[in-house]
Amino acid sequence: AAGVIQSPRHLIKEKRETATLKCYPIPRHDTVYWYQQGPGQDPQFLISFYEKMQSDKGSIPDRFSAQQFSDYHSELNMSSLELGDSALYFCASRGNLGLAGDTDTQYFGPGTRLTVL
Amino acid sequence: DAKTTQPTSMDCAEGRAANLPCNHSTISGNEYVYWYRQIHSQGPQYIIHGLKNNETNEMASLIITEDRKSSTLILPHATLRDTAVYYCIVRGAGNMLTFGGGTRLMVKP
Repeated sequence: AAGVIQSPRHLIKEKRETATLKCYPIPRHDTVYWYQQGPGQDPQFLISFYEKMQSDKGSIPDRFSAQQFSDYHSELNMSSLELGDSALYFCASRGNLGLAGDTDTQYFGPGTRLTVL
Repeated sequence: DAKTTQPTSMDCAEGRAANLPCNHSTISGNEYVYWYRQIHSQGPQYIIHGLKNNETNEMASLIITEDRKSSTLILPHATLRDTAVYYCIVRGAGNMLTFGGGTRLMVKP
């Protein structure tokens, strides 16, 4: 079965640079969630989108922004990168609750490992 | 969403059942119990979820107490590949997942 796709899988940036992470949800899924996992920490919720609109916001820095496009893929844009932004970034998608068989369960992608030097 | 309490770590012998407990005493009536696991730096993997009835799928069984204040995830025949951090998460419909601590399960030969 198709899974969540994230790109790139690895990214190395310098301080103060920008980065864009992409997430392609499971086909038919209309909701996307972004999580950040620092070294030795648990994943922390950043932001979510439903039907291209921001649906919830967690501990996302103001330097970060995200959006969901008409094909339901999402991009997380990170500016003025800091050393502390080095982390794993996971995207998860959730099914279309209006479709038979889809559930409220979130399925995660493999993550993007961002290293800021 | 209600908070959960899990043991920090557990060991299990390969081939034996792994029983992972979770306390969620402040769970409310419309909140589900979800279990995910994370194998070293991989994306969290969904295992199972339930509301009040016991659930079973190809990966595991979930036993929820009648008062819903605690639950147990059962891996019936643990293998070395089940070594991971297991997260018990209580969540209302549509909400984000709040990961907290989890149980580091070590399956030993």
